[in-house]
Amino acid sequence: AQTVTQSQPEMSVQEAETVTLSCTYDTSESDYYLFWYKQPPSRQMILVIRQEAYKQQNATENRFSVNFQKAAKSFSLKISDSQLGDAAMYFCAYRRTSGTYKYIFGTGTRLKVLA
Amino acid sequence: EAQVTQNPRYLITVTGKKLTVTCSQNMNHEYMSWYRQDPGLGLRQIYYSMNVEVTDKGDVPEGYKVSRKEKRNFPLILESPSPNQTSLYFCASRRSSGELSSYEQYFGPGTRLTVT
Repeated sequence: AQTVTQSQPEMSVQEAETVTLSCTYDTSESDYYLFWYKQPPSRQMILVIRQEAYKQQNATENRFSVNFQKAAKSFSLKISDSQLGDAAMYFCAYRRTSGTYKYIFGTGTRLKVLA
Repeated sequence: EAQVTQNPRYLITVTGKKLTVTCSQNMNHEYMSWYRQDPGLGLRQIYYSMNVEVTDKGDVPEGYKVSRKEKRNFPLILESPSPNQTSLYFCASRRSSGELSSYEQYFGPGTRLTVT
């Protein structure tokens, strides 16, 4: 069975600094997607970034980037130039590529941004 | 506006009183799903549906029922709610194919359920 582990329940970062959130996963599949979702206090779930397992290049979306290490089954999220609006719960998630709508989410990391 | 709607947004009920949380999407998505979110446990999938009349269990289906009689609707039924079903519930949907199907999952606003 697939699993997703986020070992950091809470992280803090100074405004304008860089922070990295960790995620590891376990799967026997070779083709899959990985995602980072943001959940601000409004509870809305927002997709931050995604990574296709077959792509070696790390995904980047503005200030957000990932470090995808397929062999190590690691998928960390780096937030550069942190802003107060980045404060939220962040969830790592896994899904097989096709034939299913089954998602596996991690337990989340609460990010605090200090002014 | 493309959206997933859930009703009610907040519900307090008593043990054993049947309830239904509705979910509707206006994007003609084939796939729909229910999640529950609990502190320290993240989001866990309850049930999902890949088409009308096609449903499958997620990781925590016990105590829940679903049905998919229409493409746009995917209600979550708790026939005999218990306090351990107190949680935040999310409905979500996405396409089954096409350019955006690989990642675009739309979430509803959430339903806060308390069972006393």
